[in-house]
Amino acid sequence: GENVEQHPSTLSVQEGDSAVIKCTYSDSASNYFPWYKQELGKRPQLIIDIRSNVGEKKDQRIAVTLNKTAKHFSLHITETQPEDSAVYFCAASIGGATNKLIFGTGTLLAVQP
Amino acid sequence: NAGVMQNPRHLVRRRGQEARLRCSPMKGHSHVYWYRQLPEEGLKFMVYLQKENIIDESGMPKERFSAEFPKEGPSILRIQQVVRGDSAAYFCASSPPVPGMGRTGAGYTFGSGTRLTVV
Repeated sequence: GENVEQHPSTLSVQEGDSAVIKCTYSDSASNYFPWYKQELGKRPQLIIDIRSNVGEKKDQRIAVTLNKTAKHFSLHITETQPEDSAVYFCAASIGGATNKLIFGTGTLLAVQP
Repeated sequence: NAGVMQNPRHLVRRRGQEARLRCSPMKGHSHVYWYRQLPEEGLKFMVYLQKENIIDESGMPKERFSAEFPKEGPSILRIQQVVRGDSAAYFCASSPPVPGMGRTGAGYTFGSGTRLTVV
């Protein structure tokens, strides 16, 4: 079945360093790839997304890259800050329709001050 | 725009009782999705609905679970005869017809979730 794998499951960085989270997907028809941030006890919130006709997208300190051939996409956070600490989820649309998302298992990012 | 509204925020049920979780989508959103999140785990897809239609229920357990999104009113996720293993956070999300089209942030919007505890 459709699957999204996410690594690492936990990531600890020093404040100011960069953090990279990687995901792979199995459905070659996937064409929409959002990233969500979830703080403890709160709702997942969309932080950035990318569609399959774009290889890279950047929004201030956050960037996402997509390699369709390899079915990889990654989240890059530069100049990390303690408030970036949260669980990050990647997701991929399924079946060529962007209406259904399958999520990765999450990465717990801890930014040490 | 009030966002996606879920209620109740917390729900405690005894084994064997029924749980009803409600979700009102964002204004202008016609698609609703339910996800289950176990402690320290990811979001597991359960069901995708449009008004009066179940589009995809491939993630729903075959028994005891049902979902609806009537013409009027919120979407309801119903769990009959709850068991301890049903304890989880249940998140609802809504989207316009094609999430991701247009400006960033036009994709899924999640509600605050309902935390179900079965005792």
